[in-house]
Amino acid sequence: EPEVTQTPSHQVTQMGQEVILRCVPISNHLYFYWYRQILGQKVEFLVSFYNNEISEKSEIFDDQFSVERPDGSNFTLKIRSTKLEDSAMYFCASRPGTSGGRDETQYFGPGTRLLVL
Amino acid sequence: AQSVTQLGSHVSVSEGALVLLRCNYSSSVPPYLFWYVQYPNQGLQLLLKYTTGATLVKGINGFEAEFKKSETSFHLTKPSAHMSDAAEYFCAVTTDSWGKLQFGAGTQVVVTP
Repeated sequence: EPEVTQTPSHQVTQMGQEVILRCVPISNHLYFYWYRQILGQKVEFLVSFYNNEISEKSEIFDDQFSVERPDGSNFTLKIRSTKLEDSAMYFCASRPGTSGGRDETQYFGPGTRLLVL
Repeated sequence: AQSVTQLGSHVSVSEGALVLLRCNYSSSVPPYLFWYVQYPNQGLQLLLKYTTGATLVKGINGFEAEFKKSETSFHLTKPSAHMSDAAEYFCAVTTDSWGKLQFGAGTQVVVTP
């Protein structure tokens, strides 16, 4: 069964460093998402991406964050200058985009645990 | 604005007992509601969803949930807990066309023998 994959599973970085989290969505899916979960808190929406552009973003998704689909298969989240409060589990998700929209199931990857020291 | 509240961050049930996880939502437009499960070291997996139509929805692993508009609730149940049901469960709602999910805080389920 197709699945969303994410790499790396764990990443440790120093404050101020740039990190890139990678995701491979399910083939032929058209909508892509990033969510994050700070330890002990809710899963929070960061950004949605469709047709090679951001369709919606949250207040969390400021200028330090960017997303890209560089090669038609990967979907990346870049944090330019990490802060301590960026430490969280980051989930990538995708959905087909073949039916109406918000009723479609989003398929989640296993997550990348980011620790900023 | 939309939001989701899950009552109880931790629930302990005996094997074979009823599992009941509570979810209440607020939304200014008709919501689409989801329950996801997260097993240790895995991603979120869809258990079931309500979009339109029948308000009692059945999902995987014997779970079901009922959408009650008058109570703004979408509680998840399973008649008989199994050890393999130990996981974290998330209720989520979406109301916009891009499908952004708004999650509850999650409920950790522990199943005791």
